[in-house]
Amino acid sequence: SQQGEEDPQALSIQEGENATMNCSYKTSINNLQWYRQNSGRGLVHLILIRSNEREKHSGRLRVTLDTSKKSSSLLITASRAADTASYFCATAPNDYKLSFGAGTTVTVRA
Amino acid sequence: DGGITQSPKYLFRKEGQNVTLSCEQNLNHDAMYWYRQDPGQGLRLIYYSQIVNDFQKGDIAEGYSVSREKKESFPLTVTSAQKNPTAFYLCASTSPGKRRNIQYFGAGTRLSVL
Repeated sequence: SQQGEEDPQALSIQEGENATMNCSYKTSINNLQWYRQNSGRGLVHLILIRSNEREKHSGRLRVTLDTSKKSSSLLITASRAADTASYFCATAPNDYKLSFGAGTTVTVRA
Repeated sequence: DGGITQSPKYLFRKEGQNVTLSCEQNLNHDAMYWYRQDPGQGLRLIYYSQIVNDFQKGDIAEGYSVSREKKESFPLTVTSAQKNPTAFYLCASTSPGKRRNIQYFGAGTRLSVL
């Protein structure tokens, strides 16, 4: 069952702008992850944030987690054309399974 | 190169036919997963295996079957009982230990019905 829901479904931005997308989920989690999928390809892991963490950074990525609101956000700063992809949040209720949302499609215009 | 290899990249199924999608990994990962992705949607779990000779149904196992005879291999069979098999199929694996929740994906197999 899909627990995470991303918002917005699609996002179009100019190169150099920031992109923010949100994920809401329903049940308690061990951690939350973000993945990227280029068109027609497999998913690539971007970042993992544990339930006891509030913010995490990796390069131009910043992830926040608010367990009281059951929500997370992914910020991509100074976007590039190569950031054009779909982004999925995945929640981990246990150690072995992930539940993926429907994704946010990001288009970065040159 | 270490990674997950899915084959074929494109597959066509005739009515009433069973087809098998291959997934091989050389990452020495214990757990492997099969997902189905429909256009504009997220991933839905079909089957997963945490160890050789053992596997569990995911959320949409009906019409699919798997085997796990070797650690490196986790093939998925789409049977004739699966009435709507057209989708993008993704295989993934996870390593043991602290990073066991992070999944590594193959490039996918796109299955279409003739």
